[in-house]
Amino acid sequence: KAGVTQTPRYLIKTRGQQVTLSCSPISGHRSVSWYQQTPGQGLQFLFEYFSETQRNKGNFPGRFSGRQFSNSRSEMNVSTLELGDSALYLCASSEISGLLGYGYTFGSGTRLTVV
Amino acid sequence: GQQLNQSPQSMFIQEGEDVSMNCTSSSIFNTWLWYKQDPGEGPVLLIALYKAGELTSNGRLTAQFGITRKDSFLNISASIPSDVGIYFCAGPLIQGAQKLVFGQGTRLTINP
Repeated sequence: KAGVTQTPRYLIKTRGQQVTLSCSPISGHRSVSWYQQTPGQGLQFLFEYFSETQRNKGNFPGRFSGRQFSNSRSEMNVSTLELGDSALYLCASSEISGLLGYGYTFGSGTRLTVV
Repeated sequence: GQQLNQSPQSMFIQEGEDVSMNCTSSSIFNTWLWYKQDPGEGPVLLIALYKAGELTSNGRLTAQFGITRKDSFLNISASIPSDVGIYFCAGPLIQGAQKLVFGQGTRLTINP
């Protein structure tokens, strides 16, 4: 069974630009969560999507947004990029929403560098 | 911000040594999870703990759910080179946004 696929693996963007990252969950998984990982703040929850609806949202500014499609694939968008947005963005999938106690399956991440 | 305090932040050991790391919280958790992250990859779930006092093994890894439900420990016995990586504890936060909160990680380096 294929794992969680994130594309692209690496991105370099200029401050002020916007970026879209993609995540394809494991087949049959309907929940996709996004996390930002930085050396200073560690892993921070961005948001979760389930059945095309945002279920939960972390404490990030409105520049960070996401969506989920009917095939459960998810995208996250960051507008007006700032240097501090440089991070590894991880998505994780699970069969249903709320299965936090059973853990997620993470993708390999997208490394975003803002210059 | 982070709600789980993980220690030590880094460890440098010889191959074959045993490793211990722990995670504490000011809040009670009903589940403790331990993940490992290899360079350039996402975290992979190693062990999940669901009951206070529970001791669970996965090969050379053993983890315990503290009795107070505010801490957890991970031990690795007879370390090998492929154990190198960053180990994270995590727990589900169900008040407010339902999400996993993670410790800052323990970076393990092994000298052959």
